[in-house]
Amino acid sequence: NAGVTQTPKFQVLKTGQSMTLQCAQDMNHNSMYWYRQDPGMGLRLIYYSASEGTTDKGEVPNGYNVSRLNKREFSLRLESAAPSQTSVYFCATEDTRNQPQHFGDGTRLSIL
Amino acid sequence: TQLLEQSPQFLSIQEGENLTVYCNSSSVFSSLQWYRQEPGEGPVLLVTVVTGGEVKKLKRLTFQFGDARKDSSLHITAAQPGDTGLYLCAGVDWPGGGADGLTFGKGTHLIIQP
Repeated sequence: NAGVTQTPKFQVLKTGQSMTLQCAQDMNHNSMYWYRQDPGMGLRLIYYSASEGTTDKGEVPNGYNVSRLNKREFSLRLESAAPSQTSVYFCATEDTRNQPQHFGDGTRLSIL
Repeated sequence: TQLLEQSPQFLSIQEGENLTVYCNSSSVFSSLQWYRQEPGEGPVLLVTVVTGGEVKKLKRLTFQFGDARKDSSLHITAAQPGDTGLYLCAGVDWPGGGADGLTFGKGTHLIIQP
């Protein structure tokens, strides 16, 4: 059972480069989330999608865009990467509102 | 915005000792979830507490939800090196929760030394 799959697992970018982080789930969950995790800051919500076809901003959306391609896939795009976006990015899914979330193993992104 | 404060931020103890970590807020939550995260992996759910005063046990781990639904604790008995990890609490906003999901605390980094 794959659950939530994130690709790539690691990536190094130069300032100004663009990149898309991919997330796919096989649990048929309705809601999907993108978080970033930084030392001392915990998990902060970037964007979420409550259902296929909808996306909304979270706590820290600046510098990011998202696409809910279908029920399975939710991608996160950095149009012009900045060093402040160096972080570990997690995708999560949720079956119905306020149920436990299921996380991928993260993408470790470094911006030089 | 509802906030969850976790304490301590870091804890390093010897194998066999007992410990308690706390998750506190000034806000009421519908329910509270506890996750454990190991290095290089995403958080994994341990338990959900729903009712004020509720106590749930998971082997050597005991979780309690405060009577007023504003706080929670995790107590580990006879800690083992396998308990090492980052423990996160996450609250579902009162009364019905929001579409934007959970409010996470910043976590307690726990190290159990052999």
